[in-house]
Amino acid sequence: ELKVEQNPLFLSMQEGKNYTIYCNYSTTSDRLYWYRQDPGKSLESLFVLLSNGAVKQEGRLMASLDTKARLSTLHITAAVHDLSATYFCAVGPLGGGATNKLIFGTGTLLAVQP
Amino acid sequence: NAGVMQNPRHLVRRRGQEARLRCSPMKGHSHVYWYRQLPEEGLKFMVYLQKENIIDESGMPKERFSAEFPKEGPSILRIQQVVRGDSAAYFCASSPKDRGEQYFGPGTRLTVT
Repeated sequence: ELKVEQNPLFLSMQEGKNYTIYCNYSTTSDRLYWYRQDPGKSLESLFVLLSNGAVKQEGRLMASLDTKARLSTLHITAAVHDLSATYFCAVGPLGGGATNKLIFGTGTLLAVQP
Repeated sequence: NAGVMQNPRHLVRRRGQEARLRCSPMKGHSHVYWYRQLPEEGLKFMVYLQKENIIDESGMPKERFSAEFPKEGPSILRIQQVVRGDSAAYFCASSPKDRGEQYFGPGTRLTVT
């Protein structure tokens, strides 16, 4: 069974600092997603990573994918309070099967302190 | 182009009642997915449907839960005889093709009292 693990589960950081969230998954997959969720809200798509070595950047966030290590990272540069949210990685679809389900990580709650 | 729509946004049911959650996919999307998010947890896949077909229901509880996506109208997630453990946020997502990116709706927050 595919497992997706994120760490840390909770991250408190000061404005202006850098940090990285890690996402490990246990089997091969076509693609990896990063989402942001604000309290009581839906999921906002941040990045879709499709191939080994893929790197995407948007503002202060940069995501990368290493399919050989089954690892994705979400790097935060010079954090600001507006980035406070819960961040999820999700993996899927799996192999050549018919299903298109996403398997989500446990989430990382990011709190940026002024 | 309107996004994925879900209603109701909030639903309160007493134990033993039925809950019906509706999802209208984005225009042009024929693939619908339902996920459940328990408090303080990530989303868990429940079911994947195309028009009039259930493709993957491996995440659906065996009893009380059912889903459909009729030829006309929204997809429905139905929970019979709700229990307190069913309290959660239920998210619907849609995609234009079987491996396309999924776009999420605002969710229905179900509270069972």
